[in-house]
Amino acid sequence: EVQVVESGGGVVRPGGSLRLSCAASGFTLDDYAMNWVRQVPGKGLEWVSGMNWNDAGTGHADSVKGRFTISKDSAKNSLFLQMNSLRAEDTALYYCAREAGGSSSKQAFDVWGRGTMVTVSS
Amino acid sequence: SYELTQPPSVSVSPGQTATIPCSGDNLGNKYVCWYQQKPGQSPLLVMYQDTLRPSGIPERFSGSNSGNTATLTIGGTQAVDEADYYCQAWDSRSYVFGTGTKVTVL
Repeated sequence: EVQVVESGGGVVRPGGSLRLSCAASGFTLDDYAMNWVRQVPGKGLEWVSGMNWNDAGTGHADSVKGRFTISKDSAKNSLFLQMNSLRAEDTALYYCAREAGGSSSKQAFDVWGRGTMVTVSS
Repeated sequence: SYELTQPPSVSVSPGQTATIPCSGDNLGNKYVCWYQQKPGQSPLLVMYQDTLRPSGIPERFSGSNSGNTATLTIGGTQAVDEADYYCQAWDSRSYVFGTGTKVTVL
């Protein structure tokens, strides 16, 4: 079964750091572009970070640029999001999502995890 | 930054057609996809590249995109279609989501 499972969320103080993980199964991470999307409970979706399928590059939303870093471990078939200098406004449910189409991206996310909650509070 | 605007809510009677617009500058020049999200669940892809349905998505879902507006249409809406719907497009090295529309089946 194709799936992704996020972990690593929790409660952290403002200015702190957290590392989210996304374990992929049923497919090879290297064959797909992968993304992180977040959602404040009761609010809309916000794209956070993405990584191209062939490690050709990464991208981050302006709201997290310079603070968040996306990476992966191909051997572990896992994606990560290193979050530094966390702010209250980073509080959200963080989803890992696979980009459909592999090397020919469909610019749509066809596999989503259940998310991991990050709460930034003093 | 690029913005995608959706109406906050759409109401539809069972069996009728629900139309959900998504507006953005020159949106017709971009690929648009749509997600359905029910309470407590992760988003589900229901349309991609404007008009294509993923496997398993009912034929009553259809899409279009032209000019500044993309549209998701649900023909013969059922109670099970009640959910939040989000459009999404790629612009200038980032993905952008629409503001979301809550579809209520009355």
